[in-house]
Amino acid sequence: AQSVAQPEDQVNVAEGNPLTVKCTYSVSGNPYLFWYVQYPNRGLQFLLKYITGDNLVKGSYGFEAEFNKSQTSFHLKKPSALVSDSALYFCAVRRRMDTGRRALTFGSGTRLQVQP
Amino acid sequence: EPEVTQTPSHQVTQMGQEVILRCVPISNHLYFYWYRQILGQKVEFLVSFYNNEISEKSEIFDDQFSVERPDGSNFTLKIRSTKLEDSAMYFCASSDGGINEQFFGPGTRLTVL
Repeated sequence: AQSVAQPEDQVNVAEGNPLTVKCTYSVSGNPYLFWYVQYPNRGLQFLLKYITGDNLVKGSYGFEAEFNKSQTSFHLKKPSALVSDSALYFCAVRRRMDTGRRALTFGSGTRLQVQP
Repeated sequence: EPEVTQTPSHQVTQMGQEVILRCVPISNHLYFYWYRQILGQKVEFLVSFYNNEISEKSEIFDDQFSVERPDGSNFTLKIRSTKLEDSAMYFCASSDGGINEQFFGPGTRLTVL
């Protein structure tokens, strides 16, 4: 079975500082990894994905994530946080080999609070 | 930019009643999904649908649930006899297949009284 862990329920960071939202995964074989963001009363918005290739993935709104196979991690980062980045962030995984099984397994979410 | 839409945004029903949640996926997408998020909990997969049939379902998706694509645009989730524990936000998603990301709708908040 596959699983995702987001060890922090909440991350607080001051505006302008770098932010990191942590994610580790467990899956047999190679993973596809995703980050989604959820604003209040909204659906999940896709931020970025890791499929293969370069371990550093760049996505929307200045976010990036680094895939680390040895640590089974896919941490979300941004060099300079904005107050508008405050939201709920979800990491998700899917097994690469499952061409017919596309269900995403989500982490429990991390609330990012950026203080002005 | 194309987006997934869902109706209604909020549905209140009595326990034991049937509900149908509706979704319009992105028009050229081939794969359709339902997920749910109980308040304060993680997003959970319910079912995926491709080529007019269920391709995968979770243990949550029991006989009380069904999905249908009644025409070329809508994708529905039916809960036959709702229970209190079905109260959740239900998200529809679609993708064009392959390794591409799933696009999520804004959700329908289902409240079962």
